Amino acid sequence: QKEVEQNSGPLSVPEGAIASLNCTYSDRGSQSFFWYRQYSGKSPELIMFIYSNGDKEDGRFTAQLNKASQYVSLLIRDSQPSDSATYLCAVNSNFGNEKLTFGTGTRLTIIP
Amino acid sequence: DAMVIQNPRYQVTQFGKPVTLSCSQTLNHNVMYWYQQKSSQAPKLLFHYYDKDFNNEADTPDNFQSRRPNTSFCFLDIRSPGLGDAAMYLCATSRWSQGGDTQYFGPGTRLTVL
Repeated sequence: QKEVEQNSGPLSVPEGAIASLNCTYSDRGSQSFFWYRQYSGKSPELIMFIYSNGDKEDGRFTAQLNKASQYVSLLIRDSQPSDSATYLCAVNSNFGNEKLTFGTGTRLTIIP
Repeated sequence: DAMVIQNPRYQVTQFGKPVTLSCSQTLNHNVMYWYQQKSSQAPKLLFHYYDKDFNNEADTPDNFQSRRPNTSFCFLDIRSPGLGDAAMYLCATSRWSQGGDTQYFGPGTRLTVL
């Protein structure tokens, strides 16, 4: 059974600080990794994807991937109250597989 | 703007009364997915279409059926909804490629079963 694990939280971070969200996965053959943001009652919205080891930055967001340790993280710099949401980690097991395995998400609260 | 559209956004049905949810996309993606998401849970894949090929998940109940009449549209039919089927139903699309498959979600349909 392929699994994606996330700390369910809630994770509380002061406004302006860095929020760090972590995700581990069990399938060593996993190739592509996604972070989605989901506001309460809304659908998931893609934040970032990453395929290669290392860091990928997009504005205030940085995704970090370490395939040897089988974890992927999302850093949110200068956290804003609007970043308060549940963040879902999703993993694609290989490039030929069109399905994603989702974690249960980490609920993030930014405290003004 | 290219997008994924779901209708209706909210659906109330009675126990056992069939219901159909619809999804359309203007992204021209070849893969369409249906997920069920309950509160504080991960989206659960019910089935997906790769072009016209239907792929059912092993644990999807027979009560759930799907149709994809063309590239743009996909339907989810729940033949006899039970109270346990109350959930958010999410449609997603992707363009299959060797480089990975980013999925884009529609706004979802919130199903209530009375």
